[in-house]
Amino acid sequence: EVQLVESGGGLVQPGGSLRLSCAASGFTFSSYEMNWVRQAPGKGLEWVSYISSSGSTIYYADSVKGRFTISRDNAKNSLYLQMNSLRAEDTAVYYCARALLWFGEFAFDIWGQGTMVTVSS
Amino acid sequence: SSELTQDPAVSVALGQTVRITCQGDSLRSYYASWYQQKPGQAPVLVIYGKNNRPSGIPDRFSGSSSGNTASLTITGAQAEDEADYYCNSRDSSGNHLNVVFGGGTKLTVL
Repeated sequence: EVQLVESGGGLVQPGGSLRLSCAASGFTFSSYEMNWVRQAPGKGLEWVSYISSSGSTIYYADSVKGRFTISRDNAKNSLYLQMNSLRAEDTAVYYCARALLWFGEFAFDIWGQGTMVTVSS
Repeated sequence: SSELTQDPAVSVALGQTVRITCQGDSLRSYYASWYQQKPGQAPVLVIYGKNNRPSGIPDRFSGSSSGNTASLTITGAQAEDEADYYCNSRDSSGNHLNVVFGGGTKLTVL
């Protein structure tokens, strides 16, 4: 079964740091581009970051650029998101999502169950 | 960056057909993908590309596009289709990858 399982969420104070992990199984992780997508409570979806299959190409949403770092370990079938300088507006469920790419098009075909990050004092 | 606009809420009678729309400049260059999200659950991809359904998605779900508008059509809506629906596409502005989502449409099946 193709599966993504996130972990690492929790309560953190403003200005603090947190590292999210996503464990992949059921597919050849090293062959796929991966992403983080978040959803604030009661709000819509927001793309956060993308990493290519090899890890050589990385993109971020403007809202997190300079504060968040995406990485992956293909030997461990794992995706990570290091979040620094956290703000209240970063409070959200963070989803790990596999990218489906074809002829320049982009979709997210597999999603994890999400991990909640709460930034509050 | 570009934005995608969706109607906040749509309703449909059980068994009838409903169309959910998504508008944005990026849709002139890229197809929209559509996601279904039920309360407390992760989103599920239901349509991608011109009109492709992932394995396991019922054929009552279909997609179409014209100009800057993409549509998700549910033909013969079922009670289990009640959910939030989000569109997304690549952003056609800028030189780097940016991915945008619509604000979501809450579908109520009456």
